[in-house]
Amino acid sequence: SYELTQPPSVSVSPGQTARITCSGDALPKKYADWYQQKSGQAPVLVIYEDTKRPSEIPERFSGSSSGTTATLTIDGAQVDDEADYYCYSTDITENHEVFGGGTRLTVL
Amino acid sequence: QVQLVQSGAEVKKPGASVKISCKASGYTLTNFAIQWVRQAPGQGLEWMGWINLVTNKRKYSEKFQGRVTITTDTSANGVDMELTNLRSEDTAVYFCAREVLELDAGGHYEGLGMDVWGQGTTLTVSS
Repeated sequence: SYELTQPPSVSVSPGQTARITCSGDALPKKYADWYQQKSGQAPVLVIYEDTKRPSEIPERFSGSSSGTTATLTIDGAQVDDEADYYCYSTDITENHEVFGGGTRLTVL
Repeated sequence: QVQLVQSGAEVKKPGASVKISCKASGYTLTNFAIQWVRQAPGQGLEWMGWINLVTNKRKYSEKFQGRVTITTDTSANGVDMELTNLRSEDTAVYFCAREVLELDAGGHYEGLGMDVWGQGTTLTVSS
């Protein structure tokens, strides 16, 4: 089965840049989406198709992709950005949609 | 206001089945896909399956093949997800989510991210 690999945790100080990576063999040809989930809440879409940001998401959130790695970047991370972040994509055959294991972002 | 409203919490015994509903309000479901995602206690998100409401095509995770069925409830502007032969490992919060669809140049529907989520339905499987 297809897998997306994320680091379990990332920690930054307020105002610093946070980068969360997602690795998968099909990412050179398949888009990644990113979701933010705060404790006890439903996930929220923050980036889709590697780089696109929904209008309601702050500009400090951006996405990029190069080779087999997609990256979510939060410029000037805020305490309110503390959450679990998940990437989502599909394998090259489009038969296996999958979430990454999630990354806990700590901002303090 | 665009939202997805899911049915209430369920408690089931091992071997039983459960059907969770997901009803849309504020928009018509027909031009989207509905995804089903679950999250076991303290664990990450797990994709279960989806239905393309334009083509009525369904796709299921291999992990749930044979146990999960996604159906439409047109009269209620909703989608249901049934999971059978329940086991304790199915204890989780189940979410439905809307995915915007875009038809590409090759006639293939691409998803543009799950932009609206239901509130989640807690399923407890216990003897």
